[in-house]
Amino acid sequence: GENVEQHPSTLSVQEGDSAVIKCTYSDSASNYFPWYKQELGKRPQLIIDIRSNVGEKKDQRIAVTLNKTAKHFSLHITETQPEDSAVYFCAASKGYSTLTFGKGTMLLVSP
Amino acid sequence: DVKVTQSSRYLVKRTGEKVFLECVQDMDHENMFWYRQDPGLGLRLIYFSYDVKMKEKGDIPEGYSVSREKKERFSLILESASTNQTSMYLCASSIGLAGEGDTQYFGPGTRLTVL
Repeated sequence: GENVEQHPSTLSVQEGDSAVIKCTYSDSASNYFPWYKQELGKRPQLIIDIRSNVGEKKDQRIAVTLNKTAKHFSLHITETQPEDSAVYFCAASKGYSTLTFGKGTMLLVSP
Repeated sequence: DVKVTQSSRYLVKRTGEKVFLECVQDMDHENMFWYRQDPGLGLRLIYFSYDVKMKEKGDIPEGYSVSREKKERFSLILESASTNQTSMYLCASSIGLAGEGDTQYFGPGTRLTVL
């Protein structure tokens, strides 16, 4: 089955810096890659996703890039703010299958 | 707004007890999921259901069973709770399956402690 590796497990940045979280997947047939954000004590929520026919997608300060050849995708957050502090999960899926999640990255943005 | 609710936020049970975790969604979603969340292990799929009375095993089904008698309700059952089932349990629902690009909406979670 699919295997998703996520790095780093923790990431500390200063407010205003950029943050990058990287994920690799094993199944070349995977075609859908969402990112979920989970704030402390709250439920995971989708923040951005990308399909395999697109190389990059942006939504304000967040962007996701996908490299199908290398089988990796990344979340980029620019101008980080304290409210970006959370655990971020990447995931991968194909066809009618379920999501396989990475193990998560705890992002801490210091003022 | 999609609303996914879970019957308890915190639950404490004894080893060997039968435990029921309930999840209800109000958006007529076809698919429902139960995940287990542990530090450093991410979200792991226990079971999912794509229709009433239908269920499929996820990655870690051992020690668990599920029931979906109504479209809006998906129950996770621990037949005989053990200490290694102490965890955060998250329910989710979606219109379609992930590969179709359908968002999963999560419940608030149930933190289960088995003593």
